Amino acid sequence: DAGVTQSPTHLIKTRGQQVTLRCSPISGHKSVSWYQQVLGQGPQFIFQYYEKEERGRGNFPDRFSARQFPNYSSELNVNALLLGDSALYLCASRRGGGEYEQYFGPGTRLTVT
Amino acid sequence: AQKITQTQPGMFVQEKEAVTLDCTYDTSDPSYGLFWYKQPSSGEMIFLIYQGSYDQQNATEGRYSLNFQKARKSANLVISASQLGDSAMYFCAMREGVNTGTASKLTFGTGTRLQVTL
Repeated sequence: DAGVTQSPTHLIKTRGQQVTLRCSPISGHKSVSWYQQVLGQGPQFIFQYYEKEERGRGNFPDRFSARQFPNYSSELNVNALLLGDSALYLCASRRGGGEYEQYFGPGTRLTVT
Repeated sequence: AQKITQTQPGMFVQEKEAVTLDCTYDTSDPSYGLFWYKQPSSGEMIFLIYQGSYDQQNATEGRYSLNFQKARKSANLVISASQLGDSAMYFCAMREGVNTGTASKLTFGTGTRLQVTL
């Protein structure tokens, strides 16, 4: 089975611009979560979506938004980019229910200049 | 207070030796789970092992085992017979709650960089 996929792999944006990151979960997985990993730190939780509904939100500003589609893929949008948004953005999928194992994708490395 | 604490910023181990990576956690939730992930320089987080708070046995997955000491709130990762390919960052993470909206939220530690030497 294919793992979690994310696109694009790398992205360079300018301050003030907007960016959309994409994630496709493992087949059969209904939950998608987004994490931000700044260099030298552990990942920080941004959002969780399950069955197309937002089920959790981390301590991030409203510039960050996300959605999940009927096929369970997901997009993360970040508006008005700041230099501090430069990070590795990781998507994780989970089957749901009583299965707690989460599998991560390769990430999208965003650089804001 | 830190929910996940990894006190070893870096560790060295010789090839074929065993190594223990430390992780302590803090939660008041009776239901929680502990994860270990490996992150090579490529950036992908690779799932290694999971331990639920109600699991009676310590989790094992091949060369990986989790030394779960509930009373001490520790969940150390043991890697047996280290290989050069084990060189990477290792993160301990915790989920809290059962079937709640945030059941997928993981809180990560700061990581331990493991270097396997010849």
